[in-house]
Amino acid sequence: EAQVTQNPRYLITVTGKKLTVTCSQNMNHEYMSWYRQDPGLGLRQIYYSMNVEVTDKGDVPEGYKVSRKEKRNFPLILESPSPNQTSLYFCASSNGQGPYEQYFGPGTRLTVT
Amino acid sequence: AQSVTQPDIHITVSEGASLELRCNYSYGATPYLFWYVQSPGQGLQLLLKYFSGDTLVQGIKGFEAEFKRSQSSFNLRKPSVHWSDAAEYFCAVGVSSGGYQKVTFGIGTKLQVIP
Repeated sequence: EAQVTQNPRYLITVTGKKLTVTCSQNMNHEYMSWYRQDPGLGLRQIYYSMNVEVTDKGDVPEGYKVSRKEKRNFPLILESPSPNQTSLYFCASSNGQGPYEQYFGPGTRLTVT
Repeated sequence: AQSVTQPDIHITVSEGASLELRCNYSYGATPYLFWYVQSPGQGLQLLLKYFSGDTLVQGIKGFEAEFKRSQSSFNLRKPSVHWSDAAEYFCAVGVSSGGYQKVTFGIGTKLQVIP
């Protein structure tokens, strides 16, 4: 089954404790992206990647890091999480090298206390 | 930079009634346009997309959208709403230009369907 998976689905952590949210897709997609969803703000793009070793900032990259060492994986790293990073995070992928129709993961609910 | 406006945060319609969700975008050229739906506790699912060609596009679940260049709009419609359509709907604009690739989402419209 074609899908985008994210882990963990739920995470509660404390300020400053490094964490990684994994994202994996099995569709051989070149484009992958991370979004955060906050009430009243919709989805905002954090980072995107057009291919292996090619990443770029989205609208809200501060406090986040990404890497794309393999085509299928695109982890999101929070080196020192803060409470304002409490949010619902989505990973997405799409075919081709552009922001074509995207397939979304189920989301990761992160709470930073 | 592109932007997307969804002027209606909440809409309530009766089951069986018609639906139109508004979306306006700002961009210097014709972008890629999308509508996504998010059911409670779920990720986003693509309803339909517009890249070029026929300005009336058909999507899944009986939805359609019309691209109007003169109005910079891409409104979503459905002739008869079902209770299962209750969800949040997001309009999105995609821009692809050389090394620049970006998607911008609207803030969403939450649809409530009443019996």
